[in-house]
Amino acid sequence: DGGITQSPKYLFRKEGQNVTLSCEQNLNHDAMYWYRQDPGQGLRLIYYSQIVNDFQKGDIAEGYSVSREKKESFPLTVTSAQKNPTAFYLCASSTVRSSSGRAKNIQYFGAGTRLSVL
Amino acid sequence: DAKTTQPNSMESNEEEPVHLPCNHSTISGTDYIHWYRQLPSQGPEYVIHGLTSNVNNRMASLAIAEDRKSSTLILHRATLRDAAVYYCILRDMAGGSYIPTFGRGTSLIVHP
Repeated sequence: DGGITQSPKYLFRKEGQNVTLSCEQNLNHDAMYWYRQDPGQGLRLIYYSQIVNDFQKGDIAEGYSVSREKKESFPLTVTSAQKNPTAFYLCASSTVRSSSGRAKNIQYFGAGTRLSVL
Repeated sequence: DAKTTQPNSMESNEEEPVHLPCNHSTISGTDYIHWYRQLPSQGPEYVIHGLTSNVNNRMASLAIAEDRKSSTLILHRATLRDAAVYYCILRDMAGGSYIPTFGRGTSLIVHP
């Protein structure tokens, strides 16, 4: 089955610790995204990548880092600089352009990782 | 992406139709209208999208106003499993780069 896999489902971080959230997709999508969702709020973009070895900051990138060494993988590291990391983290992927040259841009999301601070 | 405006919440009874509105008065000619929904504790899932004409699929229908400044997602017979947050988003298909943004959406409550 094609899709996006996020792991772990639940994660606990100790103060001063860096933690890494995994996101893998087998949809052959060029673009991948990380969002943060706080209770009762919409999704806020942290980072996105449209091609391997390239990524851009979103609206709330401070305290986070990413890498895109493979097309299938886009891990997110929550660093100790992120003072309020407790949230629901969502990874997504999409095509950038269809064969006709017009992008479909439909995003497919993982099931999310819920991060809490100990 | 141009901004969209949706009601914070709506309520419906099971097996009744639901009309979820979205205003996008600053929509450009190359913006597609996308709808996603997010079930509790899950990631959002794509529902439907359109440009100018009304669209139907197995999940829902999308009615787009003639001036494209508003649209309505129609669930023909609401079920308890349709209780979710529904997001209306505009996607610019003209450029190669865009930053997708999700607002707070509309929280749909379905009563048995």
